[in-house]
Amino acid sequence: QLHLQESGPRLVKPSETLSLTCDVSGGSISTSSYYWGWIRQPPGKGLEWIGSIYNSGSTYYSPSLNSRVTISLYRSQNQFSLQLSSLTAADTAVYYCARQRLRYFDWADWGQGTLVTVS
Amino acid sequence: FMLSQPHSVSESPGKTVTISCTRSSGSIASNYVQWYQQRPGSSPTILIYEDNQRPSGVPDRFSGSIDSSSNSASLTISGLKTEDEADYYCHSYESANQVFGGGTKLTVL
Repeated sequence: QLHLQESGPRLVKPSETLSLTCDVSGGSISTSSYYWGWIRQPPGKGLEWIGSIYNSGSTYYSPSLNSRVTISLYRSQNQFSLQLSSLTAADTAVYYCARQRLRYFDWADWGQGTLVTVS
Repeated sequence: FMLSQPHSVSESPGKTVTISCTRSSGSIASNYVQWYQQRPGSSPTILIYEDNQRPSGVPDRFSGSIDSSSNSASLTISGLKTEDEADYYCHSYESANQVFGGGTKLTVL
């Protein structure tokens, strides 16, 4: 069974860059059947897609975050990462890593999420 | 484009409730709609994919549909149970962009 686990700092200062990692177990990130991505949720608010990466390394980012986001794959470690720069308080949120089925485009598997506070 | 959902809905146990998701631009039928359930303190889980398909393990009390005339998708939950009380999100995409609806809080009282 697939398991996704986010890791990274819980508290980051404004203007700094957030770096989060998603450890994937129970499946390979090198499979061609899925996208891997990040979705966030500010406290008490809704879900926001940040971006996705495919096995080939192709990346897709939210237009509203495009200039600040980088998502990368680390095949040897079965991990992928998120970097979000120029942080403000508005970036405070629970950050989820997740797997999206290529065929159906649904986010079928999610990590437990990690709360990141910008302050 | 945006996906608009009612902020909240409420209904009694055993009844049926429908949650709408209206697409602001482009046709709702052009790209599949997904629905997710998020219980308090938990990660979202997939309920419906490809407009109306249920993953294994999702009860048939949950169903999805789209209506091109109103450019919207709907999630219908029949035989409501108290455990259905949660937030529900629609999701769709266009080209390389993906969008979630703002979410609907379902209260079962």
